[in-house]
Amino acid sequence: DVKVTQSSRYLVKRTGEKVFLECVQDMDHENMFWYRQDPGLGLRLIYFSYDVKMKEKGDIPEGYSVSREKKERFSLILESASTNQTSMYLCASRLQSRNGEAFFGQGTRLTVV
Amino acid sequence: AQSVTQLDSHVSVSEGTPVLLRCNYSSSYSPSLFWYVQHPNKGLQLLLKYTSAATLVKGINGFEAEFKKSETSFHLTKPSAHMSDAAEYFCVVSEGSNQAGTALIFGKGTTLSVSS
Repeated sequence: DVKVTQSSRYLVKRTGEKVFLECVQDMDHENMFWYRQDPGLGLRLIYFSYDVKMKEKGDIPEGYSVSREKKERFSLILESASTNQTSMYLCASRLQSRNGEAFFGQGTRLTVV
Repeated sequence: AQSVTQLDSHVSVSEGTPVLLRCNYSSSYSPSLFWYVQHPNKGLQLLLKYTSAATLVKGINGFEAEFKKSETSFHLTKPSAHMSDAAEYFCVVSEGSNQAGTALIFGKGTTLSVSS
């Protein structure tokens, strides 16, 4: 079975903290993505990576950064967490193909207090 | 630039009646299109995908979708709703390129409610 694993299901952090969300895939996919999901807004793309050390901004990159040092691992970093970053964060991976479906992790529900 | 519009934020049907979830897309190139489903407190699951082969695509659990280029639409249908179909549904577009960095762009979702 293919698998995308996010390190935490639930996180509670304080305003101003630096937060790391980790994602690992075991499918040797080239592309990896971070989305946030908010009610009524669907999934919005924060960043994606198409190769090791390569990254592209998505629609809402402000306040976030990413790191991809190894092909299987893609990290999302909140440099200084704020309450408006309270959300569900979803990691995904897919083959570098226009036909490739994305496989998703179970999500991390982050609450910033 | 690519984008997706799901025309209804919420659809309610009775069990045994047809389901129609509407999706329009905008894409500069030949797109790939997907429908994903998310049941409450569950992860996202692929229902079906269109990748420029047959325009009528069959998916899991009796769902199907038809790609209509002239209307830039990719509506999801099912002949007879079941209670277990109650979930949130997302229409997704990926532009037709194998170049690096082809992301999936999601619509805002349609919540399907099924009553008995």
